[in-house]
Amino acid sequence: DTGVSQDPRHKITKRGQNVTFRCDPISEHNRLYWYRQTLGQGPEFLTYFQNEAQLEKSRLLSDRFSAERPKGSFSTLEIQRTEQGDSAMYLCASSLSAWGSVFGPGTRLTVT
Amino acid sequence: QKEVEQNSGPLSVPEGAIASLNCTYSDRGSQSFFWYRQYSGKSPELIMSIYSNGDKEDGRFTAQLNKASQYVSLLIRDSQPSDSATYLCAVNRAGGFKTIFGAGTRLFVKA
Repeated sequence: DTGVSQDPRHKITKRGQNVTFRCDPISEHNRLYWYRQTLGQGPEFLTYFQNEAQLEKSRLLSDRFSAERPKGSFSTLEIQRTEQGDSAMYLCASSLSAWGSVFGPGTRLTVT
Repeated sequence: QKEVEQNSGPLSVPEGAIASLNCTYSDRGSQSFFWYRQYSGKSPELIMSIYSNGDKEDGRFTAQLNKASQYVSLLIRDSQPSDSATYLCAVNRAGGFKTIFGAGTRLFVKA
């Protein structure tokens, strides 16, 4: 296992389109996080899964964002009706406990 | 007031010096504290975690936690040009899953 992987690494989409990102965590990690990061800012928490259960979701997220983690393995993050303000780096991270997370390389989204 | 605050920098230190990075947090219920390093164009990498008051050392890195003052710091001894990066402070609340990150401090180590 070489770490957390994310796909795609880059995505350019037109405003109003839907996009879906995938994250494959480290296999033995039961915790999975999604974050969003813009230039000059730290990662902003979006949502958290423990196994397949989504236990917390940021109140900052609108209903356009949804995430799933079927069977407690990989996770997907979908953004519907994308807006220019959604342009950011979307980071996935996983951990085995509360001891800190391993981040994936991120998916850079550009909404034109 | 931001939940986790850091000086954005840049903090510039000469090679071989000690770099001191500071972070304050607002939630007294916070119990887990982390320092991540992020190189330009890369994702964050965990370098230190600390859970109880006092110091924790790992190689050239020392994390310091003072819960009464709601203050976390990171010391980097014998700073190297390869330490030049943005350092992110992150905090977890007790019983919570949400990790709050500061905006990061940019460190520049001059050769």
